[in-house]
Amino acid sequence: GIQVEQSPPDLILQEGANSTLRCNFSDSVNNLQWFHQNPWGQLINLFYIPSGTKQNGRLSATTVATERYSLLYISSSQTTDSGVYFCAVRSANQAGTALIFGKGTTLSVSS
Amino acid sequence: DSGVTQTPKHLITATGQRVTLRCSPRSGDLSVYWYQQSLDQGLQFLIQYYNGEERAKGNILERFSAQQFPDLHSELNLSSLELGDSALYFCASSVNPGWDVWPGLGYGYTFGSGTRLTVV
Repeated sequence: GIQVEQSPPDLILQEGANSTLRCNFSDSVNNLQWFHQNPWGQLINLFYIPSGTKQNGRLSATTVATERYSLLYISSSQTTDSGVYFCAVRSANQAGTALIFGKGTTLSVSS
Repeated sequence: DSGVTQTPKHLITATGQRVTLRCSPRSGDLSVYWYQQSLDQGLQFLIQYYNGEERAKGNILERFSAQQFPDLHSELNLSSLELGDSALYFCASSVNPGWDVWPGLGYGYTFGSGTRLTVV
């Protein structure tokens, strides 16, 4: 099945710093989403971005579908950005409708 | 409140036991998905039901089973529990079988808050 790899696995930042999280996937996708899991375990949708670029406040995401990767940018990070960021995809070439998650990037932002 | 209700929120049980996790989907949603999140395996897709029928199967162990009832709630049964089954179990629901996203209108699916299972 499709493989999803996220990097880096862990990231430690000072408040105000910028960061880039990467998601590589092994097959064409028709659905790619970024999630934030907060320290209480809740999964929060950030972006639906199978291709192109989107921005929402301090967060933005870019997916280059032809090269099979997506990037999540966090600018001027805040302590509330801490948590785990997941990339999840659905393969365009395989049967089934499961959304496959990467193992996540754990972000810790300190003040 | 996401609209998806998972019960119980926390569960502690001993090895060898059997437990049942319950998921009530958001009103109007026909599809239910189960995911397991463990420290070493990340978020793994287990199984999906759509309108009472099994739709897709992922890495679900033979000791685990699930079903979706006529009222559309779903139960995940975990038996002969092992220490490694300790995890956060998520349920998600959606109107359609896929993970619809409607630009400008929002997401066609939502995740519950999870059940944290600890096997001791």
